[in-house]
This record gives sequence, structure tokens and C-alpha cells, in this order.
Amino acid sequence: GIQVEQSPPDLILQEGANSTLRCNFSDSVNNLQWFHQNPWGQLINLFYIPSGTKQNGRLSATTVATERYSLLYISSSQTTDSGVYFCAVQYSGYALNFGKGTSLLVTP
Amino acid sequence: SQTIHQWPATLVQPVGSPLSLECTVEGTSNPNLYWYRQAAGRGLQLLFYSVGIGQISSEVPQNLSASRPQDRQFILSSKKLLLSDSGFYLCAWTAGGLQETQYFGPGTRLLVL
Repeated sequence: GIQVEQSPPDLILQEGANSTLRCNFSDSVNNLQWFHQNPWGQLINLFYIPSGTKQNGRLSATTVATERYSLLYISSSQTTDSGVYFCAVQYSGYALNFGKGTSLLVTP
Repeated sequence: SQTIHQWPATLVQPVGSPLSLECTVEGTSNPNLYWYRQAAGRGLQLLFYSVGIGQISSEVPQNLSASRPQDRQFILSSKKLLLSDSGFYLCAWTAGGLQETQYFGPGTRLLVL
């Protein structure tokens, strides 16, 4: 099956800093999503981005499908950004294949 | 707008007992429905999906089963729980079609003792 690798696995930032999270995948995909899992476990959609660039407030994402990677940018981080960020891809059928996530802690 | 509910929120069950987790979606028709499990650590694994009433596809053979008795209801069951069934169970939905955004419910935390 398809491999999804996220880096870094863990990240600690001071409030106000910027960060880039990376997702590499091993095959062509027809769906890629970024999620934020908050401390209560809720998975929140950030982006549906199989290709191209999108922005939503302080967050933006870029997927380069031909090179099989996606990047999630967080600017001016806030403590509420803490949690685990997942990349998930779909390459056949209905299943989303998740990476292991990046655990982000933003300190005051 | 669409919302997705799961219950119970938390559950502690003894080994060998039965299980029934419920997921319902509001505000949409004919959704595709999914059950995922997140075990210790962080990865999510797809367990079952359904594209219509009575249509269930299993991704991983195991001690669990799923049913879809109504269009917007998805149930995860077990006849006899194992310790390894402990985890965080998440239900998700998409609009019909393959390449759609998946939206997740709040999840059920299951601890089997």
C-alpha cells in the first residue's frame, strides 16, 4: 500500500513563531487532506488539497503532486495551534491513508 | 449544515462483553460512512466503510463488525471484546463519490479491561 511519511514527528515552538510541516507519499494520489487533532481528540479538517496551494488565515498548504509531497505552513503560531497534525491521502478506493502525524506544542 | 454524532463518548467494558457504538449524520443524504480506529500512538486505521444501506466493506479482518440499518446511521459492533480492541473510534462521512473531503465525528474512547 501507499506510504505516508510526516516530518518532523514532534515540534515545540514559542508563540509567534512560524513552522513548516511536511508530508511525503509514495504513489500518485487523488485526494490529500490535512487535519488538526485537538487535545480532545476531534479531527478538524484544515485543507482538501490534492494539488496546488490554499490559504486559510494563518495556515496555508501546498501540494506538489508530481513530486509527491505536501507542506503545511503555520504562521504566527498560537497556543491553540497545539495538537497533532495529520496528512492523509487517498490513491484508490475509499480509504484515507494517514501518516503518523506531527505533534506540535506551542508555548506561551 | 451537516453534523455528525457519536455515542457514547467514553466506554469501559470488560473483556468478553459485547459492544455497540453508534454514529449518525444529520443534514445530508446518501453519505459514505466510515469507521476508523486510533490505537495508542497516533495513526488512524480504516476499519469499515459503507456506500449505502446494508452495504459494508471491511478493510481489516478482526473482531469487529459494522452495520448500516438506515441511510445516516452506522453502527460498530462486537460480540466479544478483546483487550486489543481498546482505542479511539472515529466515524467519518463524505458526500457520495470517491474524491471527497472526509469529516469526522467527536469519537468514542473505548477501554477494554
